[in-house]
Amino acid sequence: AQTVTQSQPEMSVQEAETVTLSCTYDTSENNYYLFWYKQPPSRQMILVIRQEAYKQQNATENRFSVNFQKAAKSFSLKISDSQLGDTAMYFCAFMRPSISSGSARQLTFGSGTQLTVLP
Amino acid sequence: EAGVAQSPRYKIIEKRQSVAFWCNPISGHATLYWYQQILGQGPKLLIQFQNNGVVDDSQLPKDRFSAERLKGVDSTLKIQPAKLEDSAVYLCASSARQTPPYGYTFGSGTRLTVV
Repeated sequence: AQTVTQSQPEMSVQEAETVTLSCTYDTSENNYYLFWYKQPPSRQMILVIRQEAYKQQNATENRFSVNFQKAAKSFSLKISDSQLGDTAMYFCAFMRPSISSGSARQLTFGSGTQLTVLP
Repeated sequence: EAGVAQSPRYKIIEKRQSVAFWCNPISGHATLYWYQQILGQGPKLLIQFQNNGVVDDSQLPKDRFSAERLKGVDSTLKIQPAKLEDSAVYLCASSARQTPPYGYTFGSGTRLTVV
């Protein structure tokens, strides 16, 4: 079974500064997908960024980027130029590759990091 | 495109009572998921449907939880009887059958409090 570990329950950052959230995972799969989701108080999970394990290039989405270290099974999220709207719970998630036409596509989540951006 | 709709948004019940949650996925999404998110934890999958068939319900406490997806569209999740430890947010999500597996969309969840 896959496990996802987020060792930072809470973090804070000053507005406009950079912060990095850590995530490690454990799997015996070679191909898989990794995600960072943001959950504001509205409770809806919002996709921040995704990474395919077969791609060596780290994914970037505007102010969000990842540092994907496959051998170390590490997947950290860097937020640049932090904004007050970035305040939320952030979850790292793992998805196995499709194994059949039915495909599992189940997400395994970490326990989350509460990020607070300070004015 | 409309998102994943869930209702009710909040529910408070006494232990041993029953409760039901409703989910309407994005139109055309064949796969529907129910996740349980206990306070301070990440969501955990309860059950996954492909159209109107169950793909995986290995983590569903079947002595008290049940779920159905009639006609492969809407789904209901029921708890009977509820226990204090069932207090959580119940998230519904849906996805299309595509590779890579993107387009995974969550609803805003139902917050259940069992007293």
